[in-house]
Amino acid sequence: DGGITQSPKYLFRKEGQNVTLSCEQNLNHDAMYWYRQDPGQGLRLIYYSQIVNDFQKGDIAEGYSVSREKKESFPLTVTSAQKNPTAFYLCASSPTGRASGYTFGSGTRLTVV
Amino acid sequence: GENVEQHPSTLSVQEGDSAVIKCTYSDSASNYFPWYKQELGKGPQLIIDIRSNVGEKKDQRIAVTLNKTAKHFSLHITETQPEDSAVYFCAATPPTYQKVTFGTGTKLQVIP
Repeated sequence: DGGITQSPKYLFRKEGQNVTLSCEQNLNHDAMYWYRQDPGQGLRLIYYSQIVNDFQKGDIAEGYSVSREKKESFPLTVTSAQKNPTAFYLCASSPTGRASGYTFGSGTRLTVV
Repeated sequence: GENVEQHPSTLSVQEGDSAVIKCTYSDSASNYFPWYKQELGKGPQLIIDIRSNVGEKKDQRIAVTLNKTAKHFSLHITETQPEDSAVYFCAATPPTYQKVTFGTGTKLQVIP
């Protein structure tokens, strides 16, 4: 079955460490996105990519970095510059061309310890 | 840029009653309006969508209506069941690119 897979489901980070969240899709979607969700809050866009080797900053990109070397993969690195990284991170994908709904992954819960 | 407002933020209904969630948007160029359901600890799931050339769309117990003139759209859930309890997000999409603007979410609780 086609879908989008995020790993790990839970991740613990020490102060000052960089961590990378994985996002893989086999839906053949061109566009991929990273969102951050804080408890009881909505979805805030971190980065998005509409094509391989290209990506754009979203609304809260500071302290995060991404790469898009393959169509199927869009990893997110949470750097030590992100002062409050504890949150639920969601990856999504969609086809391009005609506006379509997103397919979301099941999320990664990141906690700073 | 686009701004989407969603109301109410929380909604409690008795099982079997109907639930209505409303959203307004600011960019008249937006032409695609999806609705997502997010269960606790999971990613949002697309449940229904509507395009700007359609006024209403139904799928079993859920329906979405769109008023382009007033720039608002609504989600209607009939005969609610406990498994409908979740957070629901509306969204608006402009035609030129894929960046979606989400509403702030509505937490629906269906009381058995």
